[in-house]
Amino acid sequence: AQSVTQLDSHVSVSEGTPVLLRCNYSSSYSPSLFWYVQHPNKGLQLLLKYTSAATLVKGINGFEAEFKKSETSFHLTKPSAHMSDAAEYFCVVSKGLTGGGNKLTFGTGTQLKVEL
Amino acid sequence: DAGVIQSPRHEVTEMGQEVTLRCKPISGHDYLFWYRQTMMRGLELLIYFNNNVPIDDSGMPEDRFSAKMPNASFSTLKIQPSEPRDSAVYFCASSLGDFSGNTIYFGEGSWLTVV
Repeated sequence: AQSVTQLDSHVSVSEGTPVLLRCNYSSSYSPSLFWYVQHPNKGLQLLLKYTSAATLVKGINGFEAEFKKSETSFHLTKPSAHMSDAAEYFCVVSKGLTGGGNKLTFGTGTQLKVEL
Repeated sequence: DAGVIQSPRHEVTEMGQEVTLRCKPISGHDYLFWYRQTMMRGLELLIYFNNNVPIDDSGMPEDRFSAKMPNASFSTLKIQPSEPRDSAVYFCASSLGDFSGNTIYFGEGSWLTVV
């Protein structure tokens, strides 16, 4: 079975400072990993995904994440936070097999607050 | 593309009433998923379909919940009778193919409140 653990339920940063949202995963298979963002009262939007290609993955809005197998981590970063980044972020793992292979398991979410 | 379309966006209903949530997946996608989001349990997969056929409904909480996909462009999630603990956001999502790295696209959700 696969799972993800988001290490912080809330993160607060100042506008213009770096963002780090931490995620550790557990998977019996070679995982696919995703970060989704949910703005208030909105649906889930894909930020980026890792699918066993390059370990450093770049996404939308300046976000990126690095897959580290030795640390079983997939942390999300952004060099400079913007007020519009305030949202909830979900780390997600997908079962690494074909045949039902895109069943997602969500982390509990990290609420990002950006202050002036 | 219009994306995954869900209706209604918001619904308030009384306990005991039937609730029907609707979803139109992205055209050409062969997988459709229903997820539920609550404060207590986060995001949970309820059921998913492949080519209109239900594949795994192990996440459906009770017999009060049922889902159908009569054709490739429409699915419903029905709750009958509804209870206050069913209050949640229900997301429909779709994807193409079953490779684990395929992107799953979510609708904007149906906010359900049962009073």
